[in-house]
Amino acid sequence: GQNIDQPTEMTATEGAIVQINCTYQTSGFNGLFWYQQHAGEAPTFLSYNVLDGLEEKGRFSSFLSRSKGYSYLLLKELQMKDSASYLCAVLDSNYQLIWGAGTKLIIKP
Amino acid sequence: ETGVTQTPRHLVMGMTNKKSLKCEQHLGHNAMYWYKQSAKKPLELMFVYSLEERVENNSVPSRFSPACPNSSHLFLHLHTLQPEDSALYLCASSQDPDKKNIQYFGAGTRLSVL
Repeated sequence: GQNIDQPTEMTATEGAIVQINCTYQTSGFNGLFWYQQHAGEAPTFLSYNVLDGLEEKGRFSSFLSRSKGYSYLLLKELQMKDSASYLCAVLDSNYQLIWGAGTKLIIKP
Repeated sequence: ETGVTQTPRHLVMGMTNKKSLKCEQHLGHNAMYWYKQSAKKPLELMFVYSLEERVENNSVPSRFSPACPNSSHLFLHLHTLQPEDSALYLCASSQDPDKKNIQYFGAGTRLSVL
């Protein structure tokens, strides 16, 4: 079967750095998405990786290793507004989006 | 503001009721999606529409009936639901059904079935 694993919940301190991991076992790979979802709000697109390596966008970076079936989302200089759920999703060989259950990130002052 | 609006934001209904969820996108996209989001579970894709035609139906019970009258509007008609159908229902749109495209989501309708 196809599976996306990410931690259920993480806690970090304001101003610090946090890394949210996502591992996947899918039938093929056509890219990996990260979305952010604040409580009661719409998921919003953060990043899309299809090639190995690190992509940086301001305080957020996303890394992909296709050989390891692994990605992470790195958040730097954490702010209270970064408290949210972070969803990992993989596009398989049939272009079906396989979603993880999300990681709830709690930021403490 | 994502450009995708869902109404109502909250809905409580009995198992014998009939209600509808509405989604409207202001992005000029050609594809629209319904998802079910349950606590601590992955998003479940329910239906996909491309240019008002249904292109995917992921084994969803017939008590959920989608409709897409035009490329900007999507409905989900609900009837004789079960308590396990209580969840957040998300609508999304993308430029076309190619799932490499970024999907833009609405804030969802929180549905409680009593």
